[in-house]
Amino acid sequence: ETGVTQTPRHLVMGMTNKKSLKCEQHLGHNAMYWYKQSAKKPLELMFVYSLEERVENNSVPSRFSPECPNSSHLFLHLHTLQPEDSALYLCASSQDLWIGYGYTFGSGTRLTVV
Amino acid sequence: DAKTTQPTSMDCAEGRAANLPCNHSTISGNEYVYWYRQIHSQGPQYIIHGLKNNETNEMASLIITEDRKSSTLILPHATLRDTAVYYCIVRVEQGAQKLVFGQGTRLTINP
Repeated sequence: ETGVTQTPRHLVMGMTNKKSLKCEQHLGHNAMYWYKQSAKKPLELMFVYSLEERVENNSVPSRFSPECPNSSHLFLHLHTLQPEDSALYLCASSQDLWIGYGYTFGSGTRLTVV
Repeated sequence: DAKTTQPTSMDCAEGRAANLPCNHSTISGNEYVYWYRQIHSQGPQYIIHGLKNNETNEMASLIITEDRKSSTLILPHATLRDTAVYYCIVRVEQGAQKLVFGQGTRLTINP
């Protein structure tokens, strides 16, 4: 375990379903991130939160909806996804916003949209 | 962020030193070199970073050339568990820049 826990590890959902991905960290970090990793593509930054406030939304479709209720928890709510949204979704945290070192990543949620 | 160039893949024998190169010829004076790795089906893991002096920690050593246009990550005694994709990233230490991952180098450690 890295200190960042993501659940579930695997998720299969239909295009009409609504599901949520959960990320939890107890490292005392102030910034949290969602990344997407599609097959054979580099990681793509989706959302950034600092002290529970969203500071970055990288032109992500509205079918992805993040939520950060407190500095330890981050959610990604999913609805009416497309098959091309199938990917590994990674959560990360860092002590402070925008530092380059010491990002801690979770193991990810492998999402399959059918 | 400065662009980095890494070989697509490399092989190394178990127990030998693995030397992973990275070119960053357009690096700015205040930009650091960061290395992360991603073992299959896991999230990336921070390894090391540096500005201009060589750095060493329990995981690896980072050698940055004097002109800072290239660097080498050294895993001194590679093990099978070091098989991963290694990412070289250049950015400022603290500032409104994203941590952007490229394609990286797929390092395979062979028994």
